[in-house]
Amino acid sequence: DAKTTQPPSMDCAEGRAANLPCNHSTISGNEYVYWYRQIHSQGPQYIIHGLKNNETNEMASLIITEDRKSSTLILPHATLRDTAVYYCIVRAAGGFKTIFGAGTRLFVKA
Amino acid sequence: DVKVTQSSRYLVKRTGEKVFLECVQDMDHENMFWYRQDPGLGLRLIYFSYDVKMKEKGDIPEGYSVSREKKERFSLILESASTNQTSMYLCAIESGPTVDTQYFGPGTRLTVL
Repeated sequence: DAKTTQPPSMDCAEGRAANLPCNHSTISGNEYVYWYRQIHSQGPQYIIHGLKNNETNEMASLIITEDRKSSTLILPHATLRDTAVYYCIVRAAGGFKTIFGAGTRLFVKA
Repeated sequence: DVKVTQSSRYLVKRTGEKVFLECVQDMDHENMFWYRQDPGLGLRLIYFSYDVKMKEKGDIPEGYSVSREKKERFSLILESASTNQTSMYLCAIESGPTVDTQYFGPGTRLTVL
């Protein structure tokens, strides 16, 4: 599975959009981009995934560049409860391994 | 909603004890996983199972074994607990034959004294 690179930490003001970047320059054609987050002392929580097209759900939006070498997770109106570690993962469908890197620690400040 | 339950949130055991960590899912998912999470090391895969009585080693299986006698239950066993197995243990299940989203339990924080 391809490797991802994320900034170690980011700050965001409450109510503003949080844009979390991820580089995955070695992604293969059959690999999806997944985002998870982990709030302190809890298990990771699935947020969103995509292959080529931009995706949106009730939690977030995922923007994938046309060459698929990078993506951005957008939390449109960040709240204090969005403070967490966010993991960007690329993974082929049908495989058994989901590799969690260090992620980005997002601090949402009042 | 997918629900993954782990038997304990916190557990304290002594060195040499046999420890059982239980994970139960409420849906008919084949794939189940055990991870441990340590500061600075992220999540590391210990074992996974893709069906009843089937198991595969992950990246760090040493010192652990697993059991999957029923589809809904996946147990992690520490045969003889050691202090270096003090960690957060996370169980996950996977949904979808082609889109493999993982759903995690709340975790068990195990301390071995």
